[in-house]
Amino acid sequence: DGGITQSPKYLFRKEGQNVTLSCEQNLNHDAMYWYRQDPGQGLRLIYYSQIVNDFQKGDIAEGYSVSREKKESFPLTVTSAQKNPTAFYLCASTPRMEGSPLHFGNGTRLTVT
Amino acid sequence: GESVGLHLPTLSVQEGDNSIINCAYSNSASDYFIWYKQESGKGPQFIIDIRSNMDKRQGQRVTVLLNKTVKHLSLQIAATQPGDSAVYFCAEGSRGFQKLVFGTGTRLLVSP
Repeated sequence: DGGITQSPKYLFRKEGQNVTLSCEQNLNHDAMYWYRQDPGQGLRLIYYSQIVNDFQKGDIAEGYSVSREKKESFPLTVTSAQKNPTAFYLCASTPRMEGSPLHFGNGTRLTVT
Repeated sequence: GESVGLHLPTLSVQEGDNSIINCAYSNSASDYFIWYKQESGKGPQFIIDIRSNMDKRQGQRVTVLLNKTVKHLSLQIAATQPGDSAVYFCAEGSRGFQKLVFGTGTRLLVSP
């Protein structure tokens, strides 16, 4: 089955540590995205990538970094500069087609203490 | 499981009833709209989408209505089932690139 795999499901880190969240897709989609979800808020865009070796900041990119070395993979690093990193992180992808809906992974819950 | 919204508006219905979930969107230039369903501990799942050149679109047991005059979107679920219990999000965007803006969501609770 094609899909998006995010790992791990739950992640715990100490404050001050960087942590990398994995996102892999086998849908052959060109574009990939990272969203953050907090209780009572809509999904907010962190970074997106339309093509390999290229990515752009979303609305809340501060304290995060990404890479897109392969079409299938779009890892997100939450750095120690992110002031409030505890959240549910969602990865998504879409083909480079007009009006195609995002396909989401099942998320990673990051808790930083 | 995950709590995707501790203070979300909630719609409670009985099994078999029809449900209507509403959404106000913000950008009059948006021309593409989507509804997603999110169950606890999972990522959002695509339900139905609609382009701005349409007022209504039907899927299996779901209908989306778009009123561009008042920037309002609704999702109607016919014969609601307990498995429909979830948080429902609307999202708006533009064609050509899927940089969607998501609403805060509505929790649907279906009682047997």
